[in-house]
Amino acid sequence: DIQMTQSPASLSASLGETISIECRASEDIYSNLAWYQQKSGKSPQLLIYAANRLQDGVPSRFSGSGSGTQYSLKISGMQPEDEGDYFCLQGSKFPYTFGAGTKLELK
Amino acid sequence: QVQLKESGPGLVQPSETLSLTCTVSGFSLTSYSVSWVRQPSGKGPEWMGRMWYDGDTAYNSALKSRLSISRDTSKNQVFLKMNSLQTDDTGTYYCTRDPDMGGVMDAWGQGASVTVSS
Repeated sequence: DIQMTQSPASLSASLGETISIECRASEDIYSNLAWYQQKSGKSPQLLIYAANRLQDGVPSRFSGSGSGTQYSLKISGMQPEDEGDYFCLQGSKFPYTFGAGTKLELK
Repeated sequence: QVQLKESGPGLVQPSETLSLTCTVSGFSLTSYSVSWVRQPSGKGPEWMGRMWYDGDTAYNSALKSRLSISRDTSKNQVFLKMNSLQTDDTGTYYCTRDPDMGGVMDAWGQGASVTVSS
């Protein structure tokens, strides 16, 4: 199975701060990488797919980048509503595998 | 609009079988695949398996011996059955719309909370 190593496990950011979350795959996943946000008590929601494509309705302060085995999610200007858990997911090979998650809090 | 809703028992006895139903609306099961994802409390999600739009299935190898996914297109429903449940199967179970775009799950149900306990 492809292992997804996500970092950091937790992050505290100030209002307006730019933050990045990283995911490293154990093998090339050819940009088959999606990012999800999960707010407390809610279902995950798709933010980014194909490594850098913004899902409809997602604010433009979210962006994704990367290729091969290294990917990142950037939030350009932390907002209060961005608090939550973030997960990466590789969809290159079955079984699809998630990163362990990053808990993002507002400082 | 696209909706998915999981239903099933909230409490299952150890060693017994979990049966969940995902009822969808706003899209056709013959046009989109549906994946099941579970999430233990406070932990990351785990992809369990998929019902392809053409009726085929794919399973996580870690669960394959215990898991079965089926569907009834006339009722817009996808079913999950997993046997020999243990306490570490406790968590929230989600069905998702999966357009087969490399990890895209563009709609999620509200989740079904399942506790395995005697």
